Amino acid sequence: DTEVTQTPKHLVMGMTNKKSLKCEQHMGHRAMYWYKQKAKKPPELMFVYSYEKLSINESVPSRFSPECPNSSLLNLHLHALQPEDSALYLCASSPMIVDGYTFGSGTRLTVV
Amino acid sequence: DAKTTQPNSMESNEEEPVHLPCNHSTISGTDYIHWYRQLPSQGPEYVIHGLTSNVNNRMASLAIAEDRKSSTLILHRATLRDAAVYYCILRDVTSGSARQLTFGSGTQLTVLP
Repeated sequence: DTEVTQTPKHLVMGMTNKKSLKCEQHMGHRAMYWYKQKAKKPPELMFVYSYEKLSINESVPSRFSPECPNSSLLNLHLHALQPEDSALYLCASSPMIVDGYTFGSGTRLTVV
Repeated sequence: DAKTTQPNSMESNEEEPVHLPCNHSTISGTDYIHWYRQLPSQGPEYVIHGLTSNVNNRMASLAIAEDRKSSTLILHRATLRDAAVYYCILRDVTSGSARQLTFGSGTQLTVLP
């Protein structure tokens, strides 16, 4: 298995909702990442996990809460989002932080 | 942090070679040059990377200038499936936050049939 799987593929949520994005990989990678990508813009790094511990938080608002329950799974919990948070959320993994990344296809989030 | 400069867009004809340039005049000795591409409605995909010598793999070739201030990604025969945004990224794997993959604006490649 050489893929990063993200679910759901699409999500529409209201500003008062709580939802979660899920990312899974079975390549034995020990580093996992969340990126946010707005339309026509490059991906922007949000969080980095290394060996299931949060190592980088790029000043992301607390309405985004990452979680890494085990080495194969990465979640992004969403609460009280704003319409401007609508974007493509990409998960990636790598064997270690210094290696090449494998990206998932992303979750397209719309906040209404 | 070292930065890269790429043309916003390029066009190529199908089945012809494509040369995608990247300038990185402030590159340091420990910066690796990485290329990723992002097809429509997909996440980015690793293409190739190198430090000093030219590199080849099944997807592409990477030609690095002798002074390392520029590089060129070469697609030997462009297909319609190569239409994507191509990102040239410098990574210093020895240095803290610079180890992360930080995307610039990239080059939108259009392949014409």
